[in-house]
Amino acid sequence: QVQLQESGPGLVKPSETLSLTCTVSGGSISSYYWSWIRQPPGKGLEWIGYIYYSGSTNYNPSLKSRVTISVDASKNQFSLKLSSVTPADTAVYYCARGLGTGGLIDYWGQGTLVTVSS
Amino acid sequence: DIQMTQSPSSLSASVGDRVTITCRASQSISRYLNWYQQKPGKAPNLLIYAASSLQSGVPSRFSGSGSGTDFTLSISSLQPEDFAVYYCQQSYSAPPIFGGGTKVEIK
Repeated sequence: QVQLQESGPGLVKPSETLSLTCTVSGGSISSYYWSWIRQPPGKGLEWIGYIYYSGSTNYNPSLKSRVTISVDASKNQFSLKLSSVTPADTAVYYCARGLGTGGLIDYWGQGTLVTVSS
Repeated sequence: DIQMTQSPSSLSASVGDRVTITCRASQSISRYLNWYQQKPGKAPNLLIYAASSLQSGVPSRFSGSGSGTDFTLSISSLQPEDFAVYYCQQSYSAPPIFGGGTKVEIK
């Protein structure tokens, strides 16, 4: 059974960079699309982007200028960096496994709340 | 970007009721439409992919239909564990936009 676990700071100051890591267990990181999705408190789901295990990426145009997703296959991990954060970036951040370039998700992490506040 | 509109945004129903949720895409997405269920404090869970294919382990009371721009998720006989928020998602082109969600509440 594939499991994903997010880790990283729960509090980030405005204008700084949010950094999260997702550790994948129970399966290889190879041959899948690894995504980040977020959900502001009480609101809907927003796809941030994905990385293929080989390193190719695709980002949401609305966030593209601030997002970097990277992968470390040797550690079965992938990571998210979101720069110049504001309180509007406060959300539960989910890492997830995608089955193709379209964004279909079959496994999700439990999510981690990141609050942007001074 | 392709926009996804769900209706209703919320509904109240009783155990045993048949429930239908609709999702409309702003342009044709063929059958690249997925449905997820999210319970409070939990990650979403895939129910239906490719408009009508039931994900492994999902009860058969859930079904999906549609193609092009109009899709539906149906629950044939609502169970207590089905009270949740349901999201549609298009996987036709990036970004894979989610619908705004439909909250199914107990009447």
